[in-house]
Amino acid sequence: AQSVTQLGSHVSVSEGALVLLRCNYSSSVPPYLFWYVQYPNQGLQLLLKYTSAATLVKGINGFEAEFKKSETSFHLTKPSAHMSDAAEYFCAVRGSQGNLIFGKGTKLSVKP
Amino acid sequence: NAGVTQTPKFQVLKTGQSMTLQCAQDMNHEYMSWYRQDPGMGLRLIHYSVGAGITDQGEVPNGYNVSRSTTEDFPLRLLSAAPSQTSVYFCASFPGAPGSPLHFGNGTRLTVT
Repeated sequence: AQSVTQLGSHVSVSEGALVLLRCNYSSSVPPYLFWYVQYPNQGLQLLLKYTSAATLVKGINGFEAEFKKSETSFHLTKPSAHMSDAAEYFCAVRGSQGNLIFGKGTKLSVKP
Repeated sequence: NAGVTQTPKFQVLKTGQSMTLQCAQDMNHEYMSWYRQDPGMGLRLIHYSVGAGITDQGEVPNGYNVSRSTTEDFPLRLLSAAPSQTSVYFCASFPGAPGSPLHFGNGTRLTVT
């Protein structure tokens, strides 16, 4: 069965600093992986997805993620944080029935 | 292009009341699903459907019913609301290809007193 673990329920960075949000997955088949962002009181917006075409995936708003099979990881990064990046981020893996299985989320705070 | 539309946006119920959360999509997606979001729990799957007339249970189905009579609509029914069902509910759809992302509605915030 597929599962996702997000390390750190809260991450705080200074504006301009590197953002690193960690995601580890478990899957018995080659995974399809996704990162979503949720701004306060809004729905979920797709940041990027991994579908085996390339291990380094670029998404919107300057975010990217690298798929590492040996580490079963799909960490999300951004070189320089902006105040507008403050949100909750969810990593997800596609389940066997087609649904997405989500991690518990990481809230990102950005300090001025 | 409306995408996934959920109504209502907010709802307050008393314990024991019933209600239906509406979800409609205009993208001709075969797959639709309902999630609930609770603080610190992420999103948990309630029910899903892989096409009209086909529904199945997810991780937390108790207390909820669904039906899928058309491709476009996937309502979620709360039969007898309980305070434990206080949550934010999201409807989502995708066309079925494994690499396709879920498209989410804007959510319904439900409070049961």
